[in-house]
Amino acid sequence: AQTVTQSQPEMSVQEAETVTLSCTYDTSESDYYLFWYKQPPSRQMILVIRQEAYKQQNATENRFSVNFQKAAKSFSLKISDSQLGDAAMYFCAYRSNNNNDMRFGAGTRLTVKP
Amino acid sequence: ETGVTQTPRHLVMGMTNKKSLKCEQHLGHNAMYWYKQSAKKPLELMFVYNFKEQTENNSVPSRFSPECPNSSHLFLHLHTLQPEDSALYLCASSQAGVGGYEQYFGPGTRLTVT
Repeated sequence: AQTVTQSQPEMSVQEAETVTLSCTYDTSESDYYLFWYKQPPSRQMILVIRQEAYKQQNATENRFSVNFQKAAKSFSLKISDSQLGDAAMYFCAYRSNNNNDMRFGAGTRLTVKP
Repeated sequence: ETGVTQTPRHLVMGMTNKKSLKCEQHLGHNAMYWYKQSAKKPLELMFVYNFKEQTENNSVPSRFSPECPNSSHLFLHLHTLQPEDSALYLCASSQAGVGGYEQYFGPGTRLTVT
């Protein structure tokens, strides 16, 4: 079974600075999808960014970008120009191309300091 | 209403009570999911429904009983729960089938078992 590991339970960043959240995963599959979700305090979990494993190019969404290293099974999230509204729990997730199950990491709590 | 809604948002129940959680999605999806979110643990996938049919039960105790009457509604019936069942229960929906379809989450039901 696939597992997703987020080794940083908590991270903090100064407003306007850049922070990188780590994620590694374990799989024997070659075709899959990776996601970063954001869960603000007492609010719904929303998708931040997704990456198809067959694409070599790293996905970007405005201030959010990923560093996808398929051979190393690593999928880190970089947040540039951090804003107070970025404070949340961030979850890394893996989805196989063989079914619609999604496996999540334990999450990283990001604090943004003004 | 839009997206994925869940009711109630908060629930306190005794171990001998019977209650139900409700989830409704307005996105035209045909897959729905129940997750359990406990502090400092990965999201635990409980049940998966594709086109109203249960396709996955991750060894969930029988005191949790799901019901999916149609592709838009999902219920989780609870009876004789234990204090360790206290958690945030999240509902999600997505397109069914293989592919990198993201899951859309509801706000969750915060369950406390006394």
